[in-house]
Amino acid sequence: EPEVTQTPSHQVTQMGQEVILRCVPISNHLYFYWYRQILGQKVEFLVSFYNNEISEKSEIFDDQFSVERPDGSNFTLKIRSTKLEDSAMYFCASGKAGGLWEQYFGPGTRLTVT
Amino acid sequence: EDKVVQSPLSLVVHEGDTVTLNCSYEVTNFRSLLWYKQEKKAPTFLFMLTSSGIEKKSGRLSSILDKKELSSILNITATQTGDSAIYLCAVDRETSGSRLTFGEGTQLTVNP
Repeated sequence: EPEVTQTPSHQVTQMGQEVILRCVPISNHLYFYWYRQILGQKVEFLVSFYNNEISEKSEIFDDQFSVERPDGSNFTLKIRSTKLEDSAMYFCASGKAGGLWEQYFGPGTRLTVT
Repeated sequence: EDKVVQSPLSLVVHEGDTVTLNCSYEVTNFRSLLWYKQEKKAPTFLFMLTSSGIEKKSGRLSSILDKKELSSILNITATQTGDSAIYLCAVDRETSGSRLTFGEGTQLTVNP
């Protein structure tokens, strides 16, 4: 069964550094998403992406964040100048278009900012 | 602001018990309600509900939506230890794509 994959599974970085989190969505999906879950808190929407542009973004997704689909398979989340409060589990998800709005989540990348 | 509230937050049962998990929501331009199971990491999709009163079923799990009461329940019958997980409820609104708002989750523990 096809699934969303994410790399790395765990990333440790120093405050102020840039990180890139990578995702490979399910191959016939057209919508891509990033969510995050701070330890002990709810899963929160960050951004949705369709047709090579951002469809919607939350208040969390400020200028520090960017997303890209650099080729036909990868979907990336870049966090510039990381802060301690960016420490969280980051989930990538993908979904089909055409009214089938289920989202399928990857295993997540745990980001630790020290 | 969209809001999802789940209850109970935590539940401990014995194998074989039946459990009912609750989810209530407030969302502008409701499109669907989704249930996920979160074990160690990724939320795993269970159900998507769009219409009131139509039960979705998968094995021992079933779910139903009540759009009048703005709520949904997830039932698990004959629970097994493998059902131990956090069950997440999320709502989606009508947007150009999709944007899920999650509840806090219900931590279910099934003891042998």
